[in-house]
Amino acid sequence: AQSVTQLGSHVSVSEGALVLLRCNYSSSVPPYLFWYVQYPNQGLQLLLKYTSAATLVKGINGFEAEFKKSETSFHLTKPSAHMSDAAEYFCAVRAQTGANNLFFGTGTRLTVIP
Amino acid sequence: NAGVTQTPKFQVLKTGQSMTLQCAQDMNHNSMYWYRQDPGMGLRLIYYSASEGTTDKGEVPNGYNVSRLNKREFSLRLESAAPSQTSVYFCASSEGAVGQETQYFGPGTRLLVL
Repeated sequence: AQSVTQLGSHVSVSEGALVLLRCNYSSSVPPYLFWYVQYPNQGLQLLLKYTSAATLVKGINGFEAEFKKSETSFHLTKPSAHMSDAAEYFCAVRAQTGANNLFFGTGTRLTVIP
Repeated sequence: NAGVTQTPKFQVLKTGQSMTLQCAQDMNHNSMYWYRQDPGMGLRLIYYSASEGTTDKGEVPNGYNVSRLNKREFSLRLESAAPSQTSVYFCASSEGAVGQETQYFGPGTRLLVL
């Protein structure tokens, strides 16, 4: 069965500091992994996705994530936080069979302190 | 290109009332999904439709029905609303049955059942 675990439901960083949001996955086959961002009162927007082409994936708004099979991790990072990065971030893994739906983590709310 | 649209944006129901949530996409996608989002639980799949004319249950289908009216539209119906169905509902679409595809989300419908 597929699943993802996000460590830390809330993360606070200062503006200009490194952003690190953690995600670990469970999958018996090579996974497809995604990071989505949700701004207040909006739907989810894709930040980036891992599809096995490259282990370091670059996304929008300066975010990137590295797939580490040995650690079953897919952590999201950004070198320098901006106030506009304040949002909720969801890691997700695609279902292996049946629907091509996504299994989401419980989310991490990022606060950026000026 | 509107992407994925949902109506209504917000609804209050009394226990036992019925309602239909509407979703439409203009990207010519084959697959459509309904998720619900609850605090601390991420998004969970209610129903999905892999193609026009087909629908299948997801993780949490009890209390819901769906209709894939045509390729563009996928509606979610609550026949007899219960307080446990208070949630934010998201519709999503993707092109087809390839796992690395991006899912595109609508802005959501906030439902309160009293």
